[in-house]
Amino acid sequence: GQQVMQIPQYQHVQEGEDFTTYCNSSTTLSNIQWYKQRPGGHPVFLIQLVKSGEVKKQKRLTFQFGEAKKNSSLHITATQTTDVGTYFCARDNFNKFYFGSGTKLNVKP
Amino acid sequence: GAVVSQHPSWVICKSGTSVKIECRSLDFQATTMFWYRQFPKQSLMLMATSNEGSKATYEQGVEKDKFLINHASLTLSTLTVTSAHPEDSSFYICSALGRNNEKLFFGSGTQLSVL
Repeated sequence: GQQVMQIPQYQHVQEGEDFTTYCNSSTTLSNIQWYKQRPGGHPVFLIQLVKSGEVKKQKRLTFQFGEAKKNSSLHITATQTTDVGTYFCARDNFNKFYFGSGTKLNVKP
Repeated sequence: GAVVSQHPSWVICKSGTSVKIECRSLDFQATTMFWYRQFPKQSLMLMATSNEGSKATYEQGVEKDKFLINHASLTLSTLTVTSAHPEDSSFYICSALGRNNEKLFFGSGTQLSVL
């Protein structure tokens, strides 16, 4: 279908540990977006990846787009308690956005 | 950044009544808005795409007579849940494409509880 698969579903880490979430599609993506939803909040846009093999960084966050444009990852280095939330990837299908299942990150202080 | 306002934040209604949820883009014009539904601890499920001045397009499995969408202006889209039933209880959240049509800006969502 239109959904993208995202793993893991949950991740519990100790503050300072790294975290990675993966997004996989069975079809080639035109682009991939990442959003963060804090507990009780609404999704907030983080980044968009367009090019094959693209890597973008935002401080401790590193986003990658696979060479085949079928998968993407978000890596957080040295997690902090402020990183708590659910991270979603989203595929853009002709300006309709379908979200992955999300990875809920819990960070223990 | 762009701001999307959604009201009400929560609503409790009796089974059989209709509920209207409003989604406004406050500082930009949104020709396209989206309505999502989110169950607890689950992802956002796209329900429909709301286009200003034309009929909304619904995703497969979403009843258009049940979830009425109106996008009468460039800053307002409404979702009306008609004849609500307990199974319609959910978190409904709207979003709008920003000025460059690149990213989504979300409203704060509406928690609907149908008794």
